[in-house]
Amino acid sequence: GENVEQHPSTLSVQEGDSAVIKCTYSDSASNYFPWYKQELGKRPQLIIDIRSNVGEKKDQRIAVTLNKTAKHFSLHITETQPEDSAVYFCAAFEGNLIFGKGTKLSVKP
Amino acid sequence: NAGVTQTPKFQVLKTGQSMTLQCAQDMNHNSMYWYRQDPGMGLRLIYYSASEGTTDKGEVPNGYNVSRLNKREFSLRLESAAPSQTSVYFCASNPGLAAGREQYFGPGTRLTVT
Repeated sequence: GENVEQHPSTLSVQEGDSAVIKCTYSDSASNYFPWYKQELGKRPQLIIDIRSNVGEKKDQRIAVTLNKTAKHFSLHITETQPEDSAVYFCAAFEGNLIFGKGTKLSVKP
Repeated sequence: NAGVTQTPKFQVLKTGQSMTLQCAQDMNHNSMYWYRQDPGMGLRLIYYSASEGTTDKGEVPNGYNVSRLNKREFSLRLESAAPSQTSVYFCASNPGLAAGREQYFGPGTRLTVT
């Protein structure tokens, strides 16, 4: 079955810096890769997603890249702000969504 | 639209007690899911229902049962609660099993088993 590894588990950056979170997946049949943001005590919410026929997708300060050959995908947040502080989860779809274990991002003012 | 709703928000059980977590969605979605979230473990799929009338096991089904009561409602039952089931439980739904469909999560139920 699918296995998703996510790194790092914690990430601390200064406001205005960039943050990068990386995920690898095991099943080459996976074809959809969403990223969820979960604020403390709240539900996960989709922030961006990418399909296997696309290499990169951008939405304002957030971008996701996908390397199908290497089976890894990454979330890039530029010009980080304190409100970006949260836990971020990657996931890969192969029949069902399989989630990574999460990255706790802290943005220091 | 309320989206995905869950009851209760919090629950404390004693070992061996039973309870049912309720989930409902008003988005006319076909697929519904139950996840548990433990610190450092991400979201793990317990059971899912691809469409009304069907249910299937996910990654961690032991100790749980589910019922897809109708298209709107999907309940999760703990027959004999154990401390290992202390967790935050999220229900989710999406339009169907096909790739590229956003999953919408409920607010979660925080369950403690003593």
